[in-house]
Amino acid sequence: EAQVTQNPRYLITVTGKKLTVTCSQNMNHEYMSWYRQDPGLGLRQIYYSMNVEVTDKGDVPEGYKVSRKEKRNFPLILESPSPNQTSLYFCASSLGTNQPQHFGDGTRLSIL
Amino acid sequence: DAKTTQPPSMDCAEGRAANLPCNHSTISGNEYVYWYRQIHSQGPQYIIHGLKNNETNEMASLIITEDRKSSTLILPHATLRDTAVYYCIVRVATTDSWGKLQFGAGTQVVVTP
Repeated sequence: EAQVTQNPRYLITVTGKKLTVTCSQNMNHEYMSWYRQDPGLGLRQIYYSMNVEVTDKGDVPEGYKVSRKEKRNFPLILESPSPNQTSLYFCASSLGTNQPQHFGDGTRLSIL
Repeated sequence: DAKTTQPPSMDCAEGRAANLPCNHSTISGNEYVYWYRQIHSQGPQYIIHGLKNNETNEMASLIITEDRKSSTLILPHATLRDTAVYYCIVRVATTDSWGKLQFGAGTQVVVTP
């Protein structure tokens, strides 16, 4: 089954403790992206990647890092998480230009 | 990318067609209209997209006006499972921006029995 898989689905952690949210897709998509969703602010793009070793900032990249060493994986790294990064995070992928994006089921992060 | 305007909410009776409007009066010639929906904090789900012509797939139909300043998403026979927030997005597909989707507030659709 074609899918985008995020792990973990839920995480409660403390300020400053590095964490990684993994994202993997099995559709051989070139493009992958991370979004965060907050009440009243909607979905905002954090980072995106158009291919292996090619990443770029979205609208709200501060406090996040990403890497794209393999086509299928696009982890989101919070080196020193802070409470304002408490949010619902979505990973997405698409085949290419004008193609629809497929979203994962989301990761709910709580930073205390 | 052009901004979109959608009504904040609408109700629809189960079994009836749901017509969701979207205004995008500043759309450019190379911008596509996309529709996604999000069911209660699940990942957004792609519905349909188009450039100029009307489009139909197994989920919905997309009607784009001739001047492309507005469009309508039609769910032909709404079911309770269609209750969701529906997002209308316009974006240009260039190498620099092809990945960015800018979601607005969307329309909360409630399908009632």
